[in-house]
Amino acid sequence: AQSVTQLGSHVSVSEGALVLLRCNYSSSVPPYLFWYVQYPNQGLQLLLKYTSAATLVKGINGFEAEFKKSETSFHLTKPSAHMSDAAEYFCAVTSNTGKLIFGQGTTLQVKP
Amino acid sequence: KAGVTQTPRYLIKTRGQQVTLSCSPISGHRSVSWYQQTPGQGLQFLFEYFSETQRNKGNFPGRFSGRQFSNSRSEMNVSTLELGDSALYLCASSGGTSGGPEETQYFGPGTRLLVL
Repeated sequence: AQSVTQLGSHVSVSEGALVLLRCNYSSSVPPYLFWYVQYPNQGLQLLLKYTSAATLVKGINGFEAEFKKSETSFHLTKPSAHMSDAAEYFCAVTSNTGKLIFGQGTTLQVKP
Repeated sequence: KAGVTQTPRYLIKTRGQQVTLSCSPISGHRSVSWYQQTPGQGLQFLFEYFSETQRNKGNFPGRFSGRQFSNSRSEMNVSTLELGDSALYLCASSGGTSGGPEETQYFGPGTRLLVL
């Protein structure tokens, strides 16, 4: 069975600092992994998706994630945080039937 | 292309009532999935419809049901509402046909349901 663990329910960074949101997965088959972002009172927006084509995946808004099979990780990074990046971020893996299995989410706070 | 739309955006009901939520997928998408989001349980899969057939189901009681119409629009219904049904209900659509793990799901803004 597939599962996702996001380390840290709350991450706080200063504007301009590196953003690192951690995600570890468990999957009995090669995984498809996703990062979504949720702004207050909104739905989920796709940031990026790993489909095994490349281990380093670039997404929208300057975010990227690196798939590391040996560490079963898919951490999300952004070199320089903006105030507009403050939101909740979800890592997800799909089951073999296509349903998304989400982590518990990480709230990113960006301080001026 | 217009995104996934959900109506209504907000809803207040009382215990014991029933509610119907609506979702219109991205044009051309035939798969619609529903998720429940609560602070305690996070995001949980309810069910998925493809070409008017339920293709996948999560672990929710029978009070939660859904359907899909020939134009791919979907509705979910919750009967005999309980306080614990208060949540954000998210609909997602995907354009693939296999229902496999590689398909990307695109989410609507959600319907926030409050049960009093």
